[in-house]
Amino acid sequence: EVQLVESGGGLVQPGGSLRLSCSASGFNLTSYWMHWVRQAPGKGLVWVSRINTDGATTNYADSVKGRFTISRDIAKNTLYLQMNSLGAEDTAVYYCARQLALVTTAQGYWGQGTLVTVSS
Amino acid sequence: QSALTQPASVSGSPGQSITISCTGTSSDVGRFHYVSWYQQHPGKAPKLIIFDVNDRPSGVSNRFSGSKSGNAASLTISGLQPEDEADYYCQSFTISATLVFGGGTKLTVL
Repeated sequence: EVQLVESGGGLVQPGGSLRLSCSASGFNLTSYWMHWVRQAPGKGLVWVSRINTDGATTNYADSVKGRFTISRDIAKNTLYLQMNSLGAEDTAVYYCARQLALVTTAQGYWGQGTLVTVSS
Repeated sequence: QSALTQPASVSGSPGQSITISCTGTSSDVGRFHYVSWYQQHPGKAPKLIIFDVNDRPSGVSNRFSGSKSGNAASLTISGLQPEDEADYYCQSFTISATLVFGGGTKLTVL
């Protein structure tokens, strides 16, 4: 069974940094593209970033490019999102998601999300 | 990376059919077959209901169907049921190798 469990969210001051983790089970990160998606309180879904099967290709939304870095640890089968220079606009629930299959871009499996609050 | 355009809300009665539109550009919806739809109930994670314009993941009801014409995609839900009341989001792959969501549509089952 595919399971994704996010952690690492919390309260951080403006300008600060935070690293989110997503522990994956039931499959190997080397076999699927992985994504991060966020949702500000009461707002819609916003795609953030993705990483390919060998970790060599990463893509980012313009709003986070240069500030966020997606990565993974194959030995731990864990996905990460390093977030720097955080601002109030980054306050959101962050979901990690697994692509449904190699031949599509759709995210077929989702974690429960972790809340990041940027505030002084 | 402008968000795709969806109506803020739609409504229908049980048993009826509704359609939610999703308008993009020639750089996203119009260019690629990679349009997906997600259902999200309050406080829950999104659930994939349509991928690649008109395919359904295993276990998703055939009351959900998708289509695309030009720069616009659509989600149709037939035989509305109370449990269909939720927020719905479209998503497309883009020419920049990124993904973009629509603003979301709140479906009310009257």
